[in-house]
Amino acid sequence: AQKVTQAQTEISVVEKEDVTLDCVYETRDTTYYLFWYKQPPSGELVFLIRRNSFDEQNEISGRYSWNFQKSTSSFNFTITASQVVDSAVYFCALKLATQGGSEKLVFGKGTKLTVNP
Amino acid sequence: ETGVTQTPRHLVMGMTNKKSLKCEQHLGHNAMYWYKQSAKKPLELMFVYNFKEQTENNSVPSRFSPECPNSSHLFLHLHTLQPEDSALYLCASSRSGKETQYFGPGTRLLVL
Repeated sequence: AQKVTQAQTEISVVEKEDVTLDCVYETRDTTYYLFWYKQPPSGELVFLIRRNSFDEQNEISGRYSWNFQKSTSSFNFTITASQVVDSAVYFCALKLATQGGSEKLVFGKGTKLTVNP
Repeated sequence: ETGVTQTPRHLVMGMTNKKSLKCEQHLGHNAMYWYKQSAKKPLELMFVYNFKEQTENNSVPSRFSPECPNSSHLFLHLHTLQPEDSALYLCASSRSGKETQYFGPGTRLLVL
């Protein structure tokens, strides 16, 4: 069975602090994709990153960075120098393959990040 | 990308009403999805359409009826809903079944 665990339900930081959001996944597949999405109060899920299981290189995009470690089945997300606009719920997701070639995303329960001024 | 729109954004309905949610994507994608997001629960996939054909129904009750007339439009017809169906309903699309999914803003549904 596939599963995504985001153990941190809520995190609160002060602006300019660094914060890491944890994601641990379970799958028996050797080929899979991992995602992070951001959901601001408006409700829309905003795609942040997609990583395939064969690429363990860490990635940095501005203040965002991702640490993928297959040995621990983790795909953690770090925001450096956090800003109030980073306040949102962040979801980690794992992609499965289903019949017909469709994607099936398995989501974690999300981590609500609040950045206080 | 902000190419997925959903209407209405908010909906209040009684248990005997019939209503429809609409999703439209302007990204040229061929796969579309309905998700349900309830409070304190993970996002749940409801339906998947590929090239207008339904390829997944995730054990969704028949009071939810999807329709995909073309690759750009997806509807969710609602009838005789229950209060526990109150949730945020999110639509998503992807270029194909193997590509990244992009989401709309959702319809926040309240069933009284």
